[in-house]
Amino acid sequence: AQSVTQLDSHVSVSEGTPVLLRCNYSSSYSPSLFWYVQHPNKGLQLLLKYTSAATLVKGINGFEAEFKKSETSFHLTKPSAHMSDAAEYFCVVTRSGSARQLTFGSGTQLTVLP
Amino acid sequence: DAMVIQNPRYQVTQFGKPVTLSCSQTLNHNVMYWYQQKSSQAPKLLFHYYDKDFNNEADTPDNFQSRRPNTSFCFLDIRSPGLGDAAMYLCATSLGEVTSTDTQYFGPGTRLTVL
Repeated sequence: AQSVTQLDSHVSVSEGTPVLLRCNYSSSYSPSLFWYVQHPNKGLQLLLKYTSAATLVKGINGFEAEFKKSETSFHLTKPSAHMSDAAEYFCVVTRSGSARQLTFGSGTQLTVLP
Repeated sequence: DAMVIQNPRYQVTQFGKPVTLSCSQTLNHNVMYWYQQKSSQAPKLLFHYYDKDFNNEADTPDNFQSRRPNTSFCFLDIRSPGLGDAAMYLCATSLGEVTSTDTQYFGPGTRLTVL
C-alpha cells in the first residue's frame, strides 16, 4: 500500500521569498514520486519527478525537490516565489513499475502575495 | 508540440441528458486515463485503457462509460448525468512501459456543469 500526506493545505508567501511545500509518503515498494501543479481551471502540469536516480531533482520554473528516504519526505522548494507560481500543487506517489497506480496527496494551495 | 487535447474545455448539460467528452493525444502513448476531479479535491481515477484493454476502477459508477476507437482518441460517456457529476474531467496518457520512469501527462481538462 502507498499513501501521500501533504502537510499543509494552504501556504502563503510573499513574492521573492522562498517556497516550501511539504510532502511525506508511505510505500511498501521503491516509489516514484512526482510533483504536479494545477492552475485554476487547467489540467495538471508535471513539475518534476524522482525515479531512484539523483535524490535532488530539478524541475521546471526553478522548482526542485529532495528525496529523503530516511525521513520518507519529498518536499518541494523554490528559492524565490513569483506571482505566477500561485496554484494548487499535488504530490503524487506511484509504485515503481506501475504508472497506472497513482496515489495523490490532498493538494497544497500556494498563494503568493505582492 | 506533442500533447494531450481535450474538447470541449467547458460543457454544460442538463440533468439526465447524455454527454460525451473527448480526449486526443499526439504522444502515441499506449495508455489513456480518465480522472474526475471535484472542487478542492485530488483527481480520482475512473478507468484507463492499455491499448484496447479497458480497466475499470472498482468504485466507478456504471453511469460512466468509455470508448477508445484508436490509439489517438478516447471518449468519456456519461449516460445520465446527475448534479453530483459536475466536476473537472481530466484525461491523461502514459507510454505504458512498466518502468519506474513512466509518467502520466495530463490534458487541460473539461469542466462539466449539470443543470
